[in-house]
Amino acid sequence: RKEVEQDPGPFNVPEGATVAFNCTYSNSASQSFFWYRQDCRKEPKLLMSVYSSGNEDGRFTAQLNRASQYISLLIRDSKLSDSATYLCVVASGGSYIPTFGRGTSLIVHP
Amino acid sequence: GAVVSQHPSWVICKSGTSVKIECRSLDFQATTMFWYRQFPKQSLMLMATSNEGSKATYEQGVEKDKFLINHASLTLSTLTVTSAHPEDSSFYICSARRAGGNTDTQYFGPGTRLTVL
Repeated sequence: RKEVEQDPGPFNVPEGATVAFNCTYSNSASQSFFWYRQDCRKEPKLLMSVYSSGNEDGRFTAQLNRASQYISLLIRDSKLSDSATYLCVVASGGSYIPTFGRGTSLIVHP
Repeated sequence: GAVVSQHPSWVICKSGTSVKIECRSLDFQATTMFWYRQFPKQSLMLMATSNEGSKATYEQGVEKDKFLINHASLTLSTLTVTSAHPEDSSFYICSARRAGGNTDTQYFGPGTRLTVL
């Protein structure tokens, strides 16, 4: 089983739709969780950290479920500019070695 | 915000040559820098973790004699691909870890696209 797994998609949604991605992780000792966004042929950019209590940033909501070992990202009112690959990152221990998921591709169409 | 630069942004070289890629944190000191490689439509693969002043820790399957990492200061790490071959063609991305605050976050450089002919 891979350490961090994501559905590669693509998720093809119309503008204005709500879309959710999940990411599962295998290491129960994982301590830090992040969502990154990567545009085609560009470097990943931090979208948001994921906190135990869940957190929201505008149209984006991240949740952590430690019992089931997954994190989620919810995007409301999708925009065309949200089209990208969303990478789940999980890190463990004090040395913080990050592990990336393969990414989930989102395509928002008019 | 935290800015990480990489140089060069792209390079084309002949098989057998060595290529050096620089990664700099411009407005913060990076306790740790990471080097990744990404093939088309693949996930980022961590190659090595580099702490300033110490030897890099390489991931399994990554040849340390082929991918030389030097982390001379808290703002600069270099990756040298020695005797590059076409199979080394990839997108190489560095990131710098900015410690402190509630969480440790890493910031990515813009990447270097290497093409070996």
